Amino acid sequence: GDSVTQMEGPVTLSEEAFLTINCTYTATGYPSLFWYVQYPGEGLQLLLKATKADDKGSNKGFEATYRKETTSFHLEKGSVQVSDSAVYFCALRNAGNMLTFGGGTRLMVKP
Amino acid sequence: DGGITQSPKYLFRKEGQNVTLSCEQNLNHDAMYWYRQDPGQGLRLIYYSQIVNDFQKGDIAEGYSVSREKKESFPLTVTSAQKNPTAFYLCASSIGGTSGGGYNEQFFGPGTRLTVL
Repeated sequence: GDSVTQMEGPVTLSEEAFLTINCTYTATGYPSLFWYVQYPGEGLQLLLKATKADDKGSNKGFEATYRKETTSFHLEKGSVQVSDSAVYFCALRNAGNMLTFGGGTRLMVKP
Repeated sequence: DGGITQSPKYLFRKEGQNVTLSCEQNLNHDAMYWYRQDPGQGLRLIYYSQIVNDFQKGDIAEGYSVSREKKESFPLTVTSAQKNPTAFYLCASSIGGTSGGGYNEQFFGPGTRLTVL
């Protein structure tokens, strides 16, 4: 079946540092890929998405590129802020519109 | 404002009791979903419904039940058969379920944290 693997956290960075959160997937066919963010005590919000190979999703300074050859969708941001502290989930969508989530990566940004 | 509401935010249950979590949406979405979130395990699908009066089991449906009598409502009952119910429960909805081709983004509610005493 489909699966998503994320790097384990927590990831602790200083403000303005460069962020990478790794995500790899296993799926049949050609899934769409997503990053969701969860702020403390809240539900999930869609951060960015990519629907086909080589697409780059971007939002709020975050970027991720759909790499079919390496089955990866790593999340990056050039300069993190304290307000980026949250849990980030990588997910894929199969043909039935069902989402499969990774385990989540907690990001802590210190001033 | 359109959105998804879940209530209550925090819920406490004694062992052996059934409890129902509410999920309401005013987005006019056909599809609704229930997920369970445990630390380090991401979200796991409990049940989903693509249309009124129809629903399907997800990956971890045992010990849970749902109903979909109205388009805007998809309550989840955690029964006494669920052996480890303490978790964070998230409801989501999307325009359509399995309609082919297009992407139907899932919108999430704020969640209910259930604790068994």
